[in-house]
Amino acid sequence: DAGVTQSPTHLIKTRGQHVTLRCSPISGHKSVSWYQQVLGQGPQFIFQYYEKEERGRGNFPDRFSARQFPNYSSELNVNALLLGDSALYLCASSPGTSGGADTQYFGPGTRLTVL
Amino acid sequence: GIQVEQSPPDLILQEGANSTLRCNFSDSVNNLQWFHQNPWGQLINLFYIPSGTKQNGRLSATTVATERYSLLYISSSQTTDSGVYFCATSGGYQKVTFGIGTKLQVIP
Repeated sequence: DAGVTQSPTHLIKTRGQHVTLRCSPISGHKSVSWYQQVLGQGPQFIFQYYEKEERGRGNFPDRFSARQFPNYSSELNVNALLLGDSALYLCASSPGTSGGADTQYFGPGTRLTVL
Repeated sequence: GIQVEQSPPDLILQEGANSTLRCNFSDSVNNLQWFHQNPWGQLINLFYIPSGTKQNGRLSATTVATERYSLLYISSSQTTDSGVYFCATSGGYQKVTFGIGTKLQVIP
């Protein structure tokens, strides 16, 4: 079975632009979470979606938004990019059926550079 | 939210040595995982261990939920064990909090 996939692998944008990152979960998983990892730090929780509904949101500005599609894939959108948005963006999938006590499986990430 | 502390932040080992990594968390949790992040950024699942003890080859983990800590043991370390080890946990629906990680370097 394929693992979690993310696209693109790398991305370079300039300040003020918009970016869309994509994630496909493991087959059968209904929950997708997004994380931002800045160099030298642990991943920070951005969003979690289950069955197309937002289940959780971290401390990120409204420039960050996400959605989940009927096939459980997900998009993360970031508007008005800032230099500080440069990071590795990680997507994780989980079955989503254990009341929060699920194992999360991570994709390879999208490395975003904002110039 | 839940606070997660990992120690030590950095660790250098001679190949073949054993080590213990610690994760303390501030509240009761229903989900605790250990990950290894390789140099390319991929987070690899090591253990899902909200309580109890598990072993997988040279690695084992123990979580004592009542005392709010988890330990990751690495025995007979190899250079391929190098990387960053993260503990991550949540108390509710998947708002997972990661520690800052332990950066491990195993030298030949």
